[in-house]
Amino acid sequence: AQTVTQSQPEMSVQEAETVTLSCTYDTSESDYYLFWYKQPPSRQMILVIRQEAYKQQNATENRFSVNFQKAAKSFSLKISDSQLGDAAMYFCAYRSASGNEKLTFGTGTRLTIIP
Amino acid sequence: DGGITQSPKYLFRKEGQNVTLSCEQNLNHDAMYWYRQDPGQGLRLIYYSQIVNDFQKGDIAEGYSVSREKKESFPLTVTSAQKNPTAFYLCASSSGQGAGQPQHFGDGTRLSIL
Repeated sequence: AQTVTQSQPEMSVQEAETVTLSCTYDTSESDYYLFWYKQPPSRQMILVIRQEAYKQQNATENRFSVNFQKAAKSFSLKISDSQLGDAAMYFCAYRSASGNEKLTFGTGTRLTIIP
Repeated sequence: DGGITQSPKYLFRKEGQNVTLSCEQNLNHDAMYWYRQDPGQGLRLIYYSQIVNDFQKGDIAEGYSVSREKKESFPLTVTSAQKNPTAFYLCASSSGQGAGQPQHFGDGTRLSIL
């Protein structure tokens, strides 16, 4: 079974600085998808970024980018120019490319932005 | 605007009572999912459905039931057999056109025991 580990329960960063959130996963599959979701205090889950395992190029969405290391099974999220609105829980998630399309989530990292 | 609507936002359950959480989507998505979120934990899959009139158990299905009679609707019933129902429940949907399609989430329902 796949597992997703987020080893940083809490992180903080000064506004306008850069922060990196860590995520590792365990799988025996070669084809899969990885996601980062953001959950602000409103509790709605919002997709931040998606990575396809067969693509070597790291995904980027505006201030958000990932460092995908397939051999190391690592998928970190970098937030540049941090803004107050980035404060939230961030969840890393894994999804197999075959089968039931189930998402496996990590336990989350709470990100605080310091003004 | 297209989206996923969950209701109610807050729900209270009495001992021995079944309660039903509503989830409706107008995104024309084939697949729908129910997750449970507890403090300090990630989301755990309860049930999912990839087409109408078909659904499968997730990791923590005991004490829950679902139906999928319409494409737009995927209600979750928390039965009296679920001894620890207090949690935040999230419904999601995806187009089903491949595993790379992201899941879109509703705003959630918080269930508490009276």
